[in-house]
Amino acid sequence: GAVVSQHPSWVICKSGTSVKIECRSLDFQATTMFWYRQFPKQSLMLMATSNEGSKATYEQGVEKDKFLINHASLTLSTLTVTSAHPEDSSFYICSARGDRDYGYTFGSGTRLTVV
Amino acid sequence: QKEVEQNSGPLSVPEGAIASLNCTYSDRGSQSFFWYRQYSGKSPELIMSIYSNGDKEDGRFTAQLNKASQYVSLLIRDSQPSDSATYLCAVLRGQNFVFGPGTRLSVLP
Repeated sequence: GAVVSQHPSWVICKSGTSVKIECRSLDFQATTMFWYRQFPKQSLMLMATSNEGSKATYEQGVEKDKFLINHASLTLSTLTVTSAHPEDSSFYICSARGDRDYGYTFGSGTRLTVV
Repeated sequence: QKEVEQNSGPLSVPEGAIASLNCTYSDRGSQSFFWYRQYSGKSPELIMSIYSNGDKEDGRFTAQLNKASQYVSLLIRDSQPSDSATYLCAVLRGQNFVFGPGTRLSVLP
């Protein structure tokens, strides 16, 4: 079945630094990647959608200059949280949609803690 | 009105009982509906998808869809303690999912 590998699974960083999260589709080509954020006891909120080779589309209220998304290849998308602040601490999850009928596959998530 | 609504729970059922999880959605044009299970600290995993009115069964799980009432439900038969998790209802809007807030299910041994 379709597998999406997400790294790191957890990261602690200092306030003001940047953190990069990677999502790779291992056995299919991910034409579309979705990035979600989930705060404790809340549901997943879509941050942005990216298609390979084009700029990401951000949801309302998500700062595109703070959350940089790169989808340079059909198997890799990255989310960089720039100048992280404690309020950015959250669970970040990617999801990929393939070019065949693979549906949507979620990565394992990244727990970001900004101190 | 939120696009996808669920009772937050917690819903507690004894082991072996039927757990019934409900979801309503606001966009009458929605066509594709999904139930995901999420354990604490983990990403969601797909349980079932349903696209047509009626029931769809897969093992101990049955999804029910009523588009006229804009209602989707998930029944879990013979509930097990391992079913204790948060269940997310999701509706496909374009190519994006819209998730409900989730219902926390607790199956008591």
